[in-house]
Amino acid sequence: DGGITQSPKYLFRKEGQNVTLSCEQNLNHDAMYWYRQDPGQGLRLIYYSQIVNDFQKGDIAEGYSVSREKKESCPLTVTSAQKNPTAFYLCASSTLDGSSGNTIYFGEGSWLTVV
Amino acid sequence: QKEVEQNSGPLSVPEGAIASLNCTYSDRVSQSFFWYRQYSGKSPELIMSIYSNGDKEDGRFTAQLNKASQYVSLLIRDSQPSDSATYLCAATTTGTYKYIFGTGTRLKVLA
Repeated sequence: DGGITQSPKYLFRKEGQNVTLSCEQNLNHDAMYWYRQDPGQGLRLIYYSQIVNDFQKGDIAEGYSVSREKKESCPLTVTSAQKNPTAFYLCASSTLDGSSGNTIYFGEGSWLTVV
Repeated sequence: QKEVEQNSGPLSVPEGAIASLNCTYSDRVSQSFFWYRQYSGKSPELIMSIYSNGDKEDGRFTAQLNKASQYVSLLIRDSQPSDSATYLCAATTTGTYKYIFGTGTRLKVLA
């Protein structure tokens, strides 16, 4: 089945640790996105990538990094510089050529908790 | 003004009624708009998109876009308790492929 797979679903991080959240899509979408959602809040854009090896900072990029070595994959690293990382992280993807209206689709999300 | 604004709610409607959800947007966003439904603890799922002025219907859902007044709305007919969720309005920003989301409106359908 086509879709966006995020892993792990739940992750606990100790203070000072870097953690990486995985995101893979088999929809042949050009663009991939990472959003953060805090309880009762909207979605805030961390990074987005329109093409392999290129990415743009979103509104809250500090303390995060991404890579895009393959079209299908865009892992997000939450670094120790991110002081309040406990949140729900959503990976998404979309076309850029107008097909399917460039609609953005989401993975199931990853819950990150600092312990 | 925020780029995409929604009333956080909650909006409570009785079962079988029409729920009306509204979203206003600024000049910075383009003409592509989307409605997503998000159940608590889950990821958003697309309900529908709208690009042209006017109404677009899909089953019990109708999206309405009014470019002159810069608002987009979602009507849910014959509301069911299973429609209880947070509804997110999203738009693409002019000149980029960035999507901007509103903070969402929580809908409660009372049985």
